[in-house]
Amino acid sequence: NAGVTQTPKFQVLKTGQSMTLQCAQDMNHEYMSWYRQDPGMGLRLIHYSVGAGITDQGEVPNGYNVSRSTTEDFPLRLLSAAPSQTSVYFCASSYNFGGLGDGYTFGSGTRLTVV
Amino acid sequence: SQKIEQNSEALNIQEGKTATLTCNYTNYSPAYLQWYRQDPGRGPVFLLLIRENEKEKRKERLKVTFDTTLKQSLFHITASQPADSATYLCASNAGNNRKLIWGLGTSLAVNP
Repeated sequence: NAGVTQTPKFQVLKTGQSMTLQCAQDMNHEYMSWYRQDPGMGLRLIHYSVGAGITDQGEVPNGYNVSRSTTEDFPLRLLSAAPSQTSVYFCASSYNFGGLGDGYTFGSGTRLTVV
Repeated sequence: SQKIEQNSEALNIQEGKTATLTCNYTNYSPAYLQWYRQDPGRGPVFLLLIRENEKEKRKERLKVTFDTTLKQSLFHITASQPADSATYLCASNAGNNRKLIWGLGTSLAVNP
C-alpha cells in the first residue's frame, strides 16, 4: 500500500542505548519530516529534509540525528536515549515543503519508552 | 511568536448535529491552513486545505472557512456521526514554508 511506513511500532530502551527509527515512503515525496507528539505539547518538529542529501533542524533536534541518502528513506537516530525522549514519534512526507495540495501523509507512529 | 490555538475543551454533540471547531492564529498571517483528523494511536490524516484568498472550502460533509479579519478558521462537520469522533488538528505554514505550525487539537465526541 502506498504511504509512509514506520518501524518499529513499539520500543522500550534503557537510558543510554541508541537506536534508529525507520521511515520509508513510496510516493516520491521530496519533503520528509520527523515529529514527536507529547500530551499537552502537540506535534513538535525534530528534523526535516527537503530532498535527498539535504536535512535541517526543527524545533527540538537535540539528541537526534537524521540523514537522507535516498528519496524514499529518512531514518531518525537516537544517539543516547534519555527518559525525556519517551514519546510517540511520527514520520510525515509531502509532495512539497508546506504540504500544499494533499497535505502531509503521516506514518502510524512509533511509541518509544525510555526507562 | 507565531501561534495556533484550538479549543482545548472536548466538544460533545449529538449525532446528526453540526460540529464546529475553531482555529485561531496570532502574530502572523498564514498563506493557508490545513485540517487533520487523528484517531487514538494513529497518525494524523489530512482532510482539507484552505488558502487565504478562499473564504470557504467543502468536501462531502466537511466545510472549512478562513477569515483573515478575525484571524480564524472554522471547521464544520454536518450531519455528524459517531464515526466522526476523533481529535481534529489545525496547522498552517510558517514563514519559509518548510515547516508547519500546529495547534494542540480539539477532541470531538459524537454521541448516538
